[in-house]
Amino acid sequence: QSVLTQPPSVSGAPGQRVTISCTGSSSNIGAGYDVHWYQQLPGTAPKLLIYATSKRPSGVPDRFSGSKSGTSASLAITGLQAEDEADYYCHSYDTSLSGSGVFGGGTKLTVL
Amino acid sequence: EVQLVQSGAEVKKPGESLRISCKGSGYTFTSYWINWVRQMPGKGLEWMGRIDPSDSYTDYSPSFQGHVTISADTSVTTAYLQWSSLKASDTAMYYCARSILPPPRDTFDMWGQGTMVTVSS
Repeated sequence: QSVLTQPPSVSGAPGQRVTISCTGSSSNIGAGYDVHWYQQLPGTAPKLLIYATSKRPSGVPDRFSGSKSGTSASLAITGLQAEDEADYYCHSYDTSLSGSGVFGGGTKLTVL
Repeated sequence: EVQLVQSGAEVKKPGESLRISCKGSGYTFTSYWINWVRQMPGKGLEWMGRIDPSDSYTDYSPSFQGHVTISADTSVTTAYLQWSSLKASDTAMYYCARSILPPPRDTFDMWGQGTMVTVSS
């Protein structure tokens, strides 16, 4: 059971908007720690998609955006494309686990 | 080019020891923490621990504390993850990842390609 909770799967048609939630607690997201998002395409290493809750690294399309409210964070993808089909993970810091990094369980995005 | 290159796949027997590596290049190795992340077959990412190569300070997830050892050798800009006695449940892909910011603001901007470890009798 992951410290950060994500839906196992989401889906959407090309061009649509989807959101992926990441629910934490007062010892991680709710404590104000940054949330980051990673995209993992099949058979490859994860790639940084969003950092510090809402910032995009160079080269990441602005179709990807992040936000946070209270003990939860969200990743939104607009203008869905077939190449977005991947696993997505949220990541934060947790003070109840001796200063551990923590990941969400991951969400499989299927483009219909 | 900034990159992390990991050592190749390993097949081991239960009880054997193992050390896998992660070589950083294209940047100042001592300026960024290195983290290790486990991904068991068909499962999600699990943070194992981190090391500050500048002074070899380490943090471990409680789930992995005592089961693995993280180290670094700055002379060869390489971080290591090692086991003294492998179990079948250690079968997984292991990734190293660089943090561009120190904890608690860890942000993994660069990942190695992964090292598959298979433990089977």
